[in-house]
Amino acid sequence: GAGVSQTPSNKVTEKGKYVELRCDPISGHTALYWYRQSLGQGPEFLIYFQGTGAADDSGLPNDRFFAVRPEGSVSTLKIQRTERGDSAVYLCASSFSGTGVYEQYFGPGTRLTVT
Amino acid sequence: DQQVKQNSPSLSVQEGRISILNCDYTNSMFDYFLWYKKYPAEGPTFLISISSIKDKNEDGRFTVFLNKSAKHLSLHIVPSQPGDSAVYFCAARSEANNLFFGTGTRLTVIP
Repeated sequence: GAGVSQTPSNKVTEKGKYVELRCDPISGHTALYWYRQSLGQGPEFLIYFQGTGAADDSGLPNDRFFAVRPEGSVSTLKIQRTERGDSAVYLCASSFSGTGVYEQYFGPGTRLTVT
Repeated sequence: DQQVKQNSPSLSVQEGRISILNCDYTNSMFDYFLWYKKYPAEGPTFLISISSIKDKNEDGRFTVFLNKSAKHLSLHIVPSQPGDSAVYFCAARSEANNLFFGTGTRLTVIP
């Protein structure tokens, strides 16, 4: 079956611009996560959705970052007034949820470069 | 502050030998630990996991050991194969169901 997909695969934008990054989770996965991976680092948690609601957004670095998942499936990560420090690979993951532990399945990521 | 640490950025091993990747953590509330493998231009792929109530989990060539008192876990790959060459990330799950990742160890298996 199809895995997690992310678009675009690469995005180059100028400092100060607005960007949207899209994530299509695995069908049937109710939990969706966004992570950011900077060069030489491991993925860093940003936000977690359970269905349509953000269950935990404690990892968002500031109010320029926002994410939505209006229908409980596709999610969009939105970054306003981009800064060069936002350059990173943005990873999306999805999983089943409920009692028990479910592995997170990752997409290939979107490489964002802010010039 | 990094709650999950992988202190070896790289490791080279001869094909057929054992690869041992190490990971340390600081938060005693982590309840589940996972290893992910990552190839260039791809997202991390789940490899193996272990609950905090266990001390060992084995899956084929891969075994994860957990030492809770030392807050240390390790991944053993035996025998190592050239296709195992990748970056390996250790991750720990928090009560909020989020994963905290280490910085990764690049494993190179030499044919």
